[in-house]
Amino acid sequence: ILNVEQSPQSLHVQEGDSTNFTCSFPSSNFYALHWYRWETAKSPEALFVMTLNGDEKKKGRISATLNTKEGYSYLYIKGSQPEDSATYLCAFESGNTGKLIFGQGTTLQVKP
Amino acid sequence: EPEVTQTPSHQVTQMGQEVILRCVPISNHLYFYWYRQILGQKVEFLVSFYNNEISEKSEIFDDQFSVERPDGSNFTLKIRSTKLEDSAMYFCATRGLTNTYEQYFGPGTRLTVT
Repeated sequence: ILNVEQSPQSLHVQEGDSTNFTCSFPSSNFYALHWYRWETAKSPEALFVMTLNGDEKKKGRISATLNTKEGYSYLYIKGSQPEDSATYLCAFESGNTGKLIFGQGTTLQVKP
Repeated sequence: EPEVTQTPSHQVTQMGQEVILRCVPISNHLYFYWYRQILGQKVEFLVSFYNNEISEKSEIFDDQFSVERPDGSNFTLKIRSTKLEDSAMYFCATRGLTNTYEQYFGPGTRLTVT
């Protein structure tokens, strides 16, 4: 059974703090690693799709790294803002099937 | 920006009843997926659909479940005889040909079986 784990489960930070989350996934049969940002009552929003070992991607204050050999990805948020409050999901794709295997998510709360 | 839409946003049904959840994919997307999240659990894959047939399905997707594109646009998930344990948030996702990695999710349908 393929398992994806995220840590921490939840995080409370002050506005302006930088933070990071971890996603662990199987190191075999890797095809892609997806990061989503999900606010309640909205569609999960795709942040990054990472496919190559050593990939680093950035969108504004959010960035992500990928290590497929050891099976982990980090998501970083620099200078957190209240609008960053959401659940961040990672999903592992094994082979070109489109089937995503999700972690349990990290819920971030940024206090003004 | 194009988006995936789902209807209804919330469906309450009695155990044993049939429900149909609807998804309107992004125009020109050809790969379709259903996922669900039971409260407090991980989002889990149900089924993938391409070229009018199921590509892959999970163990959850038993004979009570079916999918189709009845009119070439809507993508539906039918649960024939709902059980209490089918209560969950159901998400539709679609993927195009040009960006073959990214899946675009709808906002979900919350199904409550009583």
